[in-house]
Amino acid sequence: DVKVTQSSRYLVKRTGEKVFLECVQDMDHENMFWYRQDPGLGLRLIYFSYDVKMKEKGDIPEGYSVSREKKERFSLILESASTNQTSMYLCASSYPWRNPGGGHNEQFFGPGTRLTVL
Amino acid sequence: AQRVTQPEKLLSVFKGAPVELKCNYSYSGSPELFWYVQYSRQRLQLLLRHISRESIKGFTADLNKGETSFHLKKPFAQEEDSAMYYCALSMVTDKLIFGTGTRLQVFP
Repeated sequence: DVKVTQSSRYLVKRTGEKVFLECVQDMDHENMFWYRQDPGLGLRLIYFSYDVKMKEKGDIPEGYSVSREKKERFSLILESASTNQTSMYLCASSYPWRNPGGGHNEQFFGPGTRLTVL
Repeated sequence: AQRVTQPEKLLSVFKGAPVELKCNYSYSGSPELFWYVQYSRQRLQLLLRHISRESIKGFTADLNKGETSFHLKKPFAQEEDSAMYYCALSMVTDKLIFGTGTRLQVFP
């Protein structure tokens, strides 16, 4: 069974703390993604990784960094958490889109981490 | 700029009524469009993609390039269809652009 897991379902942190969100996939996918999910704003891409140690900024990277030391693991780091980073964080993974005739590959999502920053 | 618009935040219907969730996109190239769904307390998952041209759980969606739309339709809504629905656009890359989502409520 396809599986993307996230380290915590719920997390409460204080302003200024360093926060680590972990994501692991067991499907040998090259691509991994971190999104924020906010009511009325939908899903917004924070960072994207297409290979080990490779990363690309998404639409809202400010205040975040990422780490991908192993293919199966993609970490999201909040260097100094702020209240406006209170949100649901979703991790996803997929095979790469390579063949123009092959189409886009499905993204598989984790259950999400609801982060509250006080 | 590339964008996906879902004009309705909430759509409420009674069981058995037809459903249409609207999605419009802006992209000058050849898009790939998707619908993702999130049921209560479940993870986000792919519902259908336009290149497959298939019906999933009774839902269909046709890509209309002239109107730049990809509306999701079902002739007879069921209570178990209640969920959050996201339209998404791929621009020949690995990344997706998601709309803001529409919550579908189906009343008994």
